[in-house]
Amino acid sequence: SAVISQKPSRDICQRGTSLTIQCQVDSQVTMMFWYRQQPGQSLTLIATANQGSEATYESGFVIDKFPISRPNLTFSTLTVSNMSPEDSSIYLCSVPGGGSNTEAFFGQGTRLTVV
Amino acid sequence: GENVEQHPSTLSVQEGDSAVIKCTYSDSASNYFPWYKQELGKRPQLIIDIRSNVGEKKDQRIAVTLNKTAKHFSLHITETQPEDSAVYFCAASPDTGRRALTFGSGTRLQVQP
Repeated sequence: SAVISQKPSRDICQRGTSLTIQCQVDSQVTMMFWYRQQPGQSLTLIATANQGSEATYESGFVIDKFPISRPNLTFSTLTVSNMSPEDSSIYLCSVPGGGSNTEAFFGQGTRLTVV
Repeated sequence: GENVEQHPSTLSVQEGDSAVIKCTYSDSASNYFPWYKQELGKRPQLIIDIRSNVGEKKDQRIAVTLNKTAKHFSLHITETQPEDSAVYFCAASPDTGRRALTFGSGTRLQVQP
């Protein structure tokens, strides 16, 4: 199993500002995923973060809005840039299980409110 | 890409009754199908999963069935209890390569005592 520490757990931000969310994993992982969960909705994949290469973004998400860093195999950050109230969501990082273990593990999430 | 549809969106049952949630997927490359339970304010927690080489899997009161030909899978909860009340998400992914999960829209289960 993997233990993921995500922070901050919540924040209230002014529109037009940026917030950087951090995820630290207790083991080395090739891929990390960032999801968004809008209020009362399901989880939607934002991007896949691979160490040593550019993140791969899903349709509807762009690097300028959600820049991602992946400096090593245990850490990643997601920045939500130039925020608007529509960005108010829970953001979660996730890693797949290793080897034959396919279970995905999630950070505790960051509850972002933009005012 | 993969598309996962989930029904119903809400489900209310009496304590002790059974609950069934159904999902369909579109991508034949998907072969891993987990179910997550999410309580209010918490991260999703895996409750059961199944791979495409298995038709059914059971863990105490929870079971999952998979029909790969029809591309649908279902979660069955028997003898429901009030603590089963939560939002349940199905998901699908390949079990190799990128392995990102595509989630269904979620089912809010309410178990009435």
